[in-house]
Amino acid sequence: SQQGEEDPQALSIQEGENATMNCSYKTSINNLQWYRQNSGRGLVHLILIRSNEREKHSGRLRVTLDTSKKSSSLLITASRAADTASYFCATDTGRRALTFGSGTRLQVQP
Amino acid sequence: SQTIHQWPATLVQPVGSPLSLECTVEGTSNPNLYWYRQAAGRGLQLLFYSIGIDQISSEVPQNLSASRPQDRQFILSSKKLLLSDSGFYLCAWMRDRGYTFGSGTRLTVV
Repeated sequence: SQQGEEDPQALSIQEGENATMNCSYKTSINNLQWYRQNSGRGLVHLILIRSNEREKHSGRLRVTLDTSKKSSSLLITASRAADTASYFCATDTGRRALTFGSGTRLQVQP
Repeated sequence: SQTIHQWPATLVQPVGSPLSLECTVEGTSNPNLYWYRQAAGRGLQLLFYSIGIDQISSEVPQNLSASRPQDRQFILSSKKLLLSDSGFYLCAWMRDRGYTFGSGTRLTVV
């Protein structure tokens, strides 16, 4: 079963609006990561947040982590058409490999 | 510089034919390497991971196998492909707690 589950599965917004995606997970983690995937391409690492951190920023990205609720959110501010992609959360539980969620498909309309 | 290469980009193979996908990493030594499979519109399923030469762990029972003949080379193979083997195969390298992914191989079994 998936450790991380993203919500919503799909999101369509207008350019300039903010996009928020959520991720829930089941077990304790060392860190949580967000990745982006353009259609038919490999995934690209966006940001990592450790279990003892609550918020992290990188450019137009803002990630929050609530370990009590086992959830994280990714906020993309002032979205652009180029942000159109699928976004995945991945959890590091200290085991062999990262576990990925099923992703949120973001469509930013110009 | 540190990079990861994966090939081929696309592959169409008949049922029952063999498979060999190759992944190589440059600019590092003794990397942790991973093979994931992604079904259409879905998340990533871990297939194999390797922490060193000839040290490979399998995550799911299937007709696929993996080998690591050299430190920076990771190969995914099958002796006889099934229709259900179709998907997007991604090689990844663990770097600074996050993954760097290859560009992926789209495999269609017909």
